[in-house]
Amino acid sequence: GQQVMQIPQYQHVQEGEDFTTYCNSSTTLSNIQWYKQRPGGHPVFLIQLVKSGEVKKQKRLTFQFGEAKKNSSLHITATQTTDVGTYFCAGLTSYGKLTFGQGTILTVHP
Amino acid sequence: GAGVSQSPSNKVTEKGKDVELRCDPISGHTALYWYRQSLGQGLEFLIYFQGNSAPDKSGLPSDRFSAERTGGSVSTLTIQRTQQEDSAVYLCASSLMGQGPEAFFGQGTRLTVV
Repeated sequence: GQQVMQIPQYQHVQEGEDFTTYCNSSTTLSNIQWYKQRPGGHPVFLIQLVKSGEVKKQKRLTFQFGEAKKNSSLHITATQTTDVGTYFCAGLTSYGKLTFGQGTILTVHP
Repeated sequence: GAGVSQSPSNKVTEKGKDVELRCDPISGHTALYWYRQSLGQGLEFLIYFQGNSAPDKSGLPSDRFSAERTGGSVSTLTIQRTQQEDSAVYLCASSLMGQGPEAFFGQGTRLTVV
């Protein structure tokens, strides 16, 4: 079945450093979605990428979708303590099932 | 409702007992997912319902786990003969497949097996 792999599993950074998490799918995706889960909370939708090679920005967050629509990345510039949490990618297949990656747990040290 | 509702929010049960966890998805959402999340870990897929199609049960860890979705709306996840390793947060999510298909998560049920 479809697999979505996400790396790294953990990332510890100093406040102000950049952070990137990567997502790879075993199959071509209809779209890729990104979610953030704050400590003690539940995953919340951040953004969706649909087009091959698409790049979207939300303030300090930059999301990319690969040309082959099988990989994606989330980059945070100049991390802040409010960025702490787990970031999940989720790939949507043509038959409609959303498959989540294992997530990257981000810790930001002040 | 306004969001995905899960009940109970917390459940403590004795090893060997059966438990039922409930999920009320957003009205009209055709897709419903159950996930399990252990402390500090990622999301473990359990089961996926989509409309009237047969559910994707490929993530259920053992035959002690089962789930149903009645009338295409409310879903119940049942764990029989609970074990300590079943302790986790069980998350339910729903989406309107094909139209803004992002998933909306409930707050989860924290299950503790003692």
